[in-house]
Amino acid sequence: AIQMTQSPSSLSASVGDRVTIICRASQDIRNDLGWYQQKPGKAPKLLIYAASSLQSGVPSRFSGSGSGTEFSLTISSLQPEDFATYYCLQDYKYPYSFGQGTKLEIK
Amino acid sequence: QVQLQESGPGLVKPSETLSLTCTVSNGSISTYFWSWIRQPPGKGLEWIGYFYYTGSTNYNPSLKSRVTISADTSKNQISLKLSSVTAADTARYYCARGSAPVYWGQGTLVIVSS
Repeated sequence: AIQMTQSPSSLSASVGDRVTIICRASQDIRNDLGWYQQKPGKAPKLLIYAASSLQSGVPSRFSGSGSGTEFSLTISSLQPEDFATYYCLQDYKYPYSFGQGTKLEIK
Repeated sequence: QVQLQESGPGLVKPSETLSLTCTVSNGSISTYFWSWIRQPPGKGLEWIGYFYYTGSTNYNPSLKSRVTISADTSKNQISLKLSSVTAADTARYYCARGSAPVYWGQGTLVIVSS
């Protein structure tokens, strides 16, 4: 099974900061990677698909990049509503697998 | 837009079978992949498996011997059955549309306890 490793596992930042979250795959997954945002008590929300495509309705401050085994999610200027937990998901090969999550907290 | 709603018992005894239903509104299940994903309290997400309208399925090997995902097209529902449950199966269970899902249900919490 493909292992997805996210870093950091937690991150403290301030409103207006630029932050980047990394996701590494244990093998080449081309660009078959999505990024999700999850707030407490809510279902995950798809932000980015195919590594770098912005899901409809998602603010442009979110961006994704990478291919192969290393990927990143960048939030260009943090807003109060962005403090949440973020997960990557590889949908290249079954069983699909998530990263362990990155909790983004207010500094 | 499509809506998904999970339902089923919130409490299941150890060794019994967990059975959940996902009712889909404003869209037919006779297309797309339909996934089940779970999340233990305070922990990360785990992909359980999918059902495709052609009848094909794929399950996480970590659960494969215990899980069945099926559909009832007459009711527009996707179901999940997980047998021989233990406390480790306590989680919020989500149904979702697609392999990298856009649409998710709100999830239903299932506690395994005697």
